[in-house]
Amino acid sequence: SAVISQKPSRDICQRGTSLTIQCQVDSQVTMMFWYRQQPGQSLTLIATANQGSEATYESGFVIDKFPISRPNLTFSTLTVSNMSPEDSSIYLCSERLAGDYHEQFFGPGTRLTVL
Amino acid sequence: GQNIDQPTEMTATEGAIVQINCTYQTSGFNGLFWYQQHAGEAPTFLSYNVLDGLEEKGRFSSFLSRSKGYSYLLLKELQMKDSASYLCAVLDSNYQLIWGAGTKLIIKP
Repeated sequence: SAVISQKPSRDICQRGTSLTIQCQVDSQVTMMFWYRQQPGQSLTLIATANQGSEATYESGFVIDKFPISRPNLTFSTLTVSNMSPEDSSIYLCSERLAGDYHEQFFGPGTRLTVL
Repeated sequence: GQNIDQPTEMTATEGAIVQINCTYQTSGFNGLFWYQQHAGEAPTFLSYNVLDGLEEKGRFSSFLSRSKGYSYLLLKELQMKDSASYLCAVLDSNYQLIWGAGTKLIIKP
């Protein structure tokens, strides 16, 4: 299994500010993902973090709102920009080994509340 | 569009058996996953099915019928710690996971 750490684990932020979430994995995985899970809802993929290049965003998510960095194979950041209460959610980092679709691992999540 | 359906909530008794169903309509199919998610925690992997049939792993079993677009997760000898949400997810033709909304399982003594 994989070990994924995220920080912060939770935060309460003011409207209009930005928060950067960090994700560290313990192996040189190829695929890293960022998900959002709003209360009582399913996981929604925000983007795939690509090493050394721009992330691949899913429909409904844009780089200006959710800039993502992945400077190396084991580290990625997600920034939630110009936050509003609608951004209150759990943000999850996830990893999968290249070519191995049998298992995908998740970090502990960052619980964000925007006031 | 892509769609995964599972019941919102189920209740069962400690020591009993419960079956959580999942039906899917996706663009392509490269496998179906079941994850367990306790409140406030990250999802953890339970099972993966890509061929029809039943996969047994201890108290948990997962079944797949690709022709029917149907899967179920069977939990036996239920324990209080099994109270959690159970998420069904399908790997589509682009190898992206499509997630169901999850089934909240409540275990009563």
